Amino acid sequence: ETGVTQTPRHLVMGMTNKKSLKCEQHLGHNAMYWYKQSAKKPLELMFVYNFKEQTENNSVPSRFSPECPNSSHLFLHLHTLQPEDSALYLCASSQEWGGTISHEQYFGPGTRLTVT
Amino acid sequence: KNQVEQSPQSLIILEGKNCTLQCNYTVSPFSNLRWYKQDTGRGPVSLTIMTFSENTKSNGRYTATLDADTKQSSLHITASQLSDSASYICVVRSDSNYQLIWGAGTKLIIKP
Repeated sequence: ETGVTQTPRHLVMGMTNKKSLKCEQHLGHNAMYWYKQSAKKPLELMFVYNFKEQTENNSVPSRFSPECPNSSHLFLHLHTLQPEDSALYLCASSQEWGGTISHEQYFGPGTRLTVT
Repeated sequence: KNQVEQSPQSLIILEGKNCTLQCNYTVSPFSNLRWYKQDTGRGPVSLTIMTFSENTKSNGRYTATLDADTKQSSLHITASQLSDSASYICVVRSDSNYQLIWGAGTKLIIKP
């Protein structure tokens, strides 16, 4: 176990549904991330929260909405998704984001999302 | 444009054999390079990190090399085991904006 948990592990949703992904870290880290992983493609960074403040939003469509209520929890709210949004969504945490020290990111097991 | 290219895309070898995975990058300025292992159904786990001044670093049966002049890294796996079956991902950190540039990974399958 990496100390990062994600729920649900699998999710099937229609294009008109609203759902949320949850991530929790038990490592005392200050930075949390959402990544999208599609087959045979590099991980795509979606959002970064550092000390509960959103610091990165890599041109992610508004149908994805992140929420970070505290440094241990991260949510990804989903609505009116498209079939091409089907992918593995990974949550990660690290001591901090950015700066001269490269902190290792610890990943959760991911949520396998299928949009029908 | 900062890029990380990994080869081969996939590899099948017999248990007990050695193999080498490649990572070429164009990221500049370079900060460091990590290799991650991602088992099926799990998130990536860091194997090793290499900075500019390091040429070789080992972690058990895994040995990573870095040639900062040619911007190439390799991950050598010795005496492969069935549990080595996974995707291996190379990620390079930029020293200018601290962004991480991820490779697409190499899918390694170990057959008994």
